[in-house]
Amino acid sequence: DAGVIQSPRHEVTEMGQEVTLRCKPISGHNSLFWYRQTMMRGLELLIYFNNNVPIDDSGMPEDRFSAKMPNASFSTLKIQPSEPRDSAVYFCASSLERGATDTQYFGPGTRLTVL
Amino acid sequence: GQQVMQIPQYQHVQEGEDFTTYCNSSTTLSNIQWYKQRPGGHPVFLIQLVKSGEVKKQKRLTFQFGEAKKNSSLHITATQTTDVGTYFCAGGSGNTGKLIFGQGTTLQVKP
Repeated sequence: DAGVIQSPRHEVTEMGQEVTLRCKPISGHNSLFWYRQTMMRGLELLIYFNNNVPIDDSGMPEDRFSAKMPNASFSTLKIQPSEPRDSAVYFCASSLERGATDTQYFGPGTRLTVL
Repeated sequence: GQQVMQIPQYQHVQEGEDFTTYCNSSTTLSNIQWYKQRPGGHPVFLIQLVKSGEVKKQKRLTFQFGEAKKNSSLHITATQTTDVGTYFCAGGSGNTGKLIFGQGTTLQVKP
């Protein structure tokens, strides 16, 4: 099993540029989560999908952030325009079922630096 | 909103010493999960507790879920350098269906 796959692993961009992060969940998993991790704020849930449908996006910081899941095997998190305060590690995770009792499997993360 | 608080934030121990991290929720949880993140890595699932007062062990690690299902602890006996990392608790909310992660406890072990 390949696990959750994220790309790119590292991204360095300049303020104002568009950034797209990609995630492929574990095959057969029905829920997908996007998290942001910083030293100051820890691990924050941004949005999660169940069966490709966004269920809760209350953690999305502002309109500059958007996420899509066009099919069961692919999701994107887009930041447009990016700002230096968006610098963080972004994790994608998937779980077999919806709900708080299911184990989440995290991808390796994308380390984003906005200059 | 629901919060999960974790203490301490950092802990430095000498190899062989014990270590404990505590997790407290403002509301009753449906379950508690524990994850470990090695430096530069990603969170990896360790265990889940569901029942009130439940205790589970994994070798030198002991996990407890409080009777009121509002708190939990992870205790490591005789730490080793391989235990280094950040330990997160994550509380499950039956209302929202979400896992709420604590801030994590970063453990450093001196050889």
